[in-house]
Formats: sequence, C-alpha cells, structure tokens
Amino acid sequence: DTGVSQNPRHKITKRGQNVTFRCDPISEHNRLYWYRQTLGQGPEFLTYFQNEAQLEKSRLLSDRFSAERPKGSFSTLEIQRTEQGDSAMYLCASSTQGVSQPQHFGDGTRLSIL
Amino acid sequence: GQNIDQPTEMTATEGAIVQINCTYQTSGFNGLFWYQQHAGEAPTFLSYNVLDGLEEKGRFSSFLSRSKGYSYLLLKELQMKDSASYLCAGPSGSARQLTFGSGTQLTVLP
Repeated sequence: DTGVSQNPRHKITKRGQNVTFRCDPISEHNRLYWYRQTLGQGPEFLTYFQNEAQLEKSRLLSDRFSAERPKGSFSTLEIQRTEQGDSAMYLCASSTQGVSQPQHFGDGTRLSIL
Repeated sequence: GQNIDQPTEMTATEGAIVQINCTYQTSGFNGLFWYQQHAGEAPTFLSYNVLDGLEEKGRFSSFLSRSKGYSYLLLKELQMKDSASYLCAGPSGSARQLTFGSGTQLTVLP
C-alpha cells in the first residue's frame, strides 16, 4: 500500500533561488492539496487540484508560487525568488471524492532558505 | 475558514487517560477531523465526526457536540509512542480544504 510520496525530503537553498517540489498522490485519489506548515502550527492550505484542474488557491499563494498537476497524477509546486519567510514544511495530501473521506498526507518537503 | 482552538501542550502519564479538547466556529460546519503528527512526519488520520456523539476506535475515541462547537479526542491506556501533536481540523469550501488548529503537543511520561 503506497502512500503519498514527496521529494525531496529536504531542500536548502539561498534566498532568491527557485525551488520545485514534487508530490505523487495515492494512485486512485483525484483530489490533491498542498499545505504549508511552520513550527508549532497546524498546516495551512495553499492550493487544490481536482484531477488536472487547479480549482482553489489560498491568498497565501503569492504570485511567486505556482503549482501544476499536468496529467492528473503527480503535482509540482514551484517557488520563484525564494525569501526567508518561505522556510517551512510543504505538505501534499490526497483524497477521493466524498465529504467524509480523509486527506492522506505525505511526509513533506522541508525548505530552508539561507 | 473556521477558527479552531485547542490547547498548546498537555502532559500525561503512561497508562493514563487524556482528553484533548477542540472548539470551532459552528457556522458552515462540515464535520471535524482529528490527525496525529509525530515530529518530522506526516499527519495521519485518526477520526472524523459529523454527527453528535462518541466514536470509538480502539484506544482512541472522538466526541462531537455540534450545538456547542466542541469536540474532544480521548486517548486511553497511554503509551510512550502516543507522544505527538494532535491536530483538530475542519473542512470548508468547495475544495473541502482543511483548516487546522495549531495542534496540541502531548507528552507521555513514564
């Protein structure tokens, strides 16, 4: 039983660089979510895909952030011109349709901006 | 989104019972999830409540009162491995994205 897979697990980069993260959801899940989590806080919603369509974006998602899910399977989250405040854990989650269906989370990518 | 409040930290002893409370705004209620998160790991699903009452799953139970905007997670026969952050979350919007509380860091002492 494969869960949600994210890579890399850790990314250290200098301020101003671009970074890209990948998420492979559970194969039969058509819903995919990105969240951001900082130390001592719960995850905060960033964006949502249903199949390949990006249907919802949080106001947290500035224009430096872009996400794709080109074939309705894996997804990528890119941050351009990284800033210190982007340092966080980026979590991906997937689920099936249905109001009671839980979201299953990956282990996340921890981003550190030097 | 919803405002979800839960205590920041709790401490309990191995073998004991602990109750972690969560309050939320009742408008736009769509059920409540509980997740467990160990440090550096993914949040893992524990329970979902949409109707009033107690749902029991082994050592873990979750309770909901919709009229009071209140839920709790009850952990029985605590084990050291239960030391983790416990997150209360409510789905909202057409995307059913989760709004999380800040999490309750539970420490189980020997």
